[in-house]
Amino acid sequence: AQTVTQSQPEMSVQEAETVTLSCTYDTSENNYYLFWYKQPPSRQMILVIRQEAYKQQNATENRFSVNFQKAAKSFSLKISDSQLGDTAMYFCAFFGVSTPLVFGKGTRLSVIA
Amino acid sequence: DARVTQTPRHKVTEMGQEVTMRCQPILGHNTVFWYRQTMMQGLELLAYFRNRAPLDDSGMPKDRFSAEMPDATLATLKIQPSEPRDSAVYFCASSVTVNTEAFFGQGTRLTVV
Repeated sequence: AQTVTQSQPEMSVQEAETVTLSCTYDTSENNYYLFWYKQPPSRQMILVIRQEAYKQQNATENRFSVNFQKAAKSFSLKISDSQLGDTAMYFCAFFGVSTPLVFGKGTRLSVIA
Repeated sequence: DARVTQTPRHKVTEMGQEVTMRCQPILGHNTVFWYRQTMMQGLELLAYFRNRAPLDDSGMPKDRFSAEMPDATLATLKIQPSEPRDSAVYFCASSVTVNTEAFFGQGTRLTVV
């Protein structure tokens, strides 16, 4: 079974600083996608960024970027210039050809003014 | 504006009653997921469908839960009889196919008293 592990239940960062959220996963598949979702207090699940496993280049979306290490099965999310609106739960997720979309337990991020 | 629609948004029911949650996936999406979110367990995959066929419902308590897709525009999750431990937020999500972004509904907050 595929598992996704987020080892940091909670994190905090000062506004305008940079923070990195960790995620590791376990799989025997070679072709898969990885995602980071954000869940603000409104509870809506919002896609932050996605990474295709066959791409070596790390994905970037504005202030959000990932460090994808396929051999190490690691997929961390870096948030630069943190803003108060980034306060939310962040979920790492794995989606394989033969594996449904599964999530880690989440990291609660607080951005402090 | 394509979105996944879930009804109802909130449901309070008494223990032993039947609960039906509905989901309208985005038109053209062939993969539908049901998740349950609790503080303790995070986002648990209950069931998922591809082209209306159930592929995996191993995460679902079979004695009381059932999930169906009567047609491509409707997915249902039923609990009969409901119990207080079923209290949670239930999310439906859909994606175009495997390995692509899943779009989430706003969830149904279920409270069983």
